[in-house]
Amino acid sequence: AQSVSQHNHHVILSEAASLELGCNYSYGGTVNLFWYVQYPGQHLQLLLKYFSGDPLVKGIKGFEAEFIKSKFSFNLRKPSVQWSDTAEYFCAVNTNAGKSTFGDGTTLTVKP
Amino acid sequence: EAQVTQNPRYLITVTGKKLTVTCSQNMNHEYMSWYRQDPGLGLRQIYYSMNVEVTDKGDVPEGYKVSRKEKRNFPLILESPSPNQTSLYFCASSETPGQWSNEQFFGPGTRLTVL
Repeated sequence: AQSVSQHNHHVILSEAASLELGCNYSYGGTVNLFWYVQYPGQHLQLLLKYFSGDPLVKGIKGFEAEFIKSKFSFNLRKPSVQWSDTAEYFCAVNTNAGKSTFGDGTTLTVKP
Repeated sequence: EAQVTQNPRYLITVTGKKLTVTCSQNMNHEYMSWYRQDPGLGLRQIYYSMNVEVTDKGDVPEGYKVSRKEKRNFPLILESPSPNQTSLYFCASSETPGQWSNEQFFGPGTRLTVL
């Protein structure tokens, strides 16, 4: 069975600080990897995804993530966070068979 | 506008009273899925459907039913709701898993309370 582990449940940063959120997954086959964001009171939206090719993917709002196959990791980064990045972030894994697994989520609070 | 819609958005009901939460998408997506979101547990997949008349269990299917008679609709049925099904439910759709464009588009959520 596949699983996704997010290491940080709650992260508090000041504006302009750098961000890295950890995500590890377990699955023996081919996966597609995603980071979704959920702003307060809203539904989930895609930040970025990895399908194949360049393991460093760039998403919206200055976010990027790096897929390291040997470590089964897909960590999310942003060089300088803003107050508007306050949200909950979910790492997710999809298999070609349709099964979708999300991590428990990381709540990011950015202090102005 | 491309979207996933869910109804109702809020529902308070009592134990044992059958209910249906509807989900509809207008993007001609083949794949649809239901999730529940609980604090500290993230999103857990209840059921998913790869295409019309094809449904499969996710990680937490107990107490739920689904059907996929048409491509655009994927209702979630609780035949006999119980308090432990109190949760926030999201429907999502995407193109066929395994394709580049297979990110999921989520509905606005249905907050269900079972008393």
